Amino acid sequence: GAVVSQHPSRVICKSGTSVKIECRSLDFQATTMFWYRQFPKQSLMLMATSNEGSKATYEQGVEKDKFLINHASLTLSTLTVTSAHPEDSSFYICSAHDRGYEQYFGPGTRLTVT
Amino acid sequence: GENVEQHPSTLSVQEGDSAVIKCTYSDSASNYFPWYKQELGKGPQLIIDIRSNVGEKKDQRIAVTLNKTAKHFSLHITETQPEDSAVYFCAASNGGGEYGNKLVFGAGTILRVKS
Repeated sequence: GAVVSQHPSRVICKSGTSVKIECRSLDFQATTMFWYRQFPKQSLMLMATSNEGSKATYEQGVEKDKFLINHASLTLSTLTVTSAHPEDSSFYICSAHDRGYEQYFGPGTRLTVT
Repeated sequence: GENVEQHPSTLSVQEGDSAVIKCTYSDSASNYFPWYKQELGKGPQLIIDIRSNVGEKKDQRIAVTLNKTAKHFSLHITETQPEDSAVYFCAASNGGGEYGNKLVFGAGTILRVKS
């Protein structure tokens, strides 16, 4: 149980375009989903917290107009990177939380902006 | 806010030996301490966790200890195997409840098990 999927696993896009990443909890309902960014050889940095049906809460320094988060259902959250630039290239990981303590992570999405 | 420090940054052990990774946290309100294993190009995988009402938890070759007074917790891996080689992250949160509380991660430890 507690499986979280992400799609796509890898994406390459041109500078200036937008990219959408999906995060799904496959076998449980996620009251909260989290989005992280991880640069090579670094730890996970929380970008935002999203609760189903409400606006996401962004961490300090994360541009909410650039990283659009939609948590439309208890099993799906999406992260859209708008007007992507090479510095947005990173590994994006989501996690999902049910009502306990645990967070379950997706496999990650490698974004490369050329 | 919470701050989590993790040591060492890299750890090399011989197959069959034990490995210990230590973390300290700053916020006494933190009550949930998970450990994650991350392999190259993959998402973190929860391997063991402990809540603040418990001092030790064990799952086969993996154990975690928590010292609330000193605000530190440790991961212990015994009889290490080459497949244990990965990056390990500790984290802390004031967890539980209807809405998950955010995790604060340590910097990570690269564990290499030499055969």
